Amino acid sequence: DVHLVESGGGLVQPGGSLRLSCAASGFTFSNFWMSWVRQAPGKGLEWVANIDDDGSDTYYVDSVKGRFTVSRDNAHNLLFLQMSNLRAEDTAVYYCAKIFSHTFDYWGQGTLVTVSS
Amino acid sequence: DTQMTQSPSSLSASVGDRVTITCRASQGISDYLAWFQQRPGKAPKSLIYAASILQRGVPSNFSGSGSGTDFTLTISSLQPEDVATYYCQQYYTYPYTFGQGTKLEIK
Repeated sequence: DVHLVESGGGLVQPGGSLRLSCAASGFTFSNFWMSWVRQAPGKGLEWVANIDDDGSDTYYVDSVKGRFTVSRDNAHNLLFLQMSNLRAEDTAVYYCAKIFSHTFDYWGQGTLVTVSS
Repeated sequence: DTQMTQSPSSLSASVGDRVTITCRASQGISDYLAWFQQRPGKAPKSLIYAASILQRGVPSNFSGSGSGTDFTLTISSLQPEDVATYYCQQYYTYPYTFGQGTKLEIK
């Protein structure tokens, strides 16, 4: 079974940094693109970033470009999201998702990031 | 950016009813359209991709249709476990964008 487990969320001050991780299992991680999607409290879903199967190509929503970096470690089946210069509007549950046929087929349970002083 | 607009924003229906949710894209997206279900307090679950193809394990009472700008998600016979918020999403072009969600309740 596909299993995605996020970690690394927490409370951070505005302007601070945080690195999220997603541990993947149950599929050949290095064969698939991966994604981060977030959901602010009480709001809808927002796509954040994609990374291709070998980590050579990345794509971001404009609101995080230059502040967030998506990366992966295929040897250890790990996906990362390095977030810097965090803002209050980045407060959300962050989900990692496996990409199949260009969209998401499996989702993790999410990790909460709260940006507040 | 491609705007995705769902209607209605919320609806209430009885067990056994046929339920239809619509999703309209601000520009043509071919069939690059997915649907997701999010039960209260849970992570999203993928239901449909390519507008009409059911993800593995999704019950056959869910179906999707459409192409271009207009799409529908249909539940042929509403069950209590279908209470959730449903989202459409386009993946034709970056940035990927979601509809605002349709909250489905049991009457």
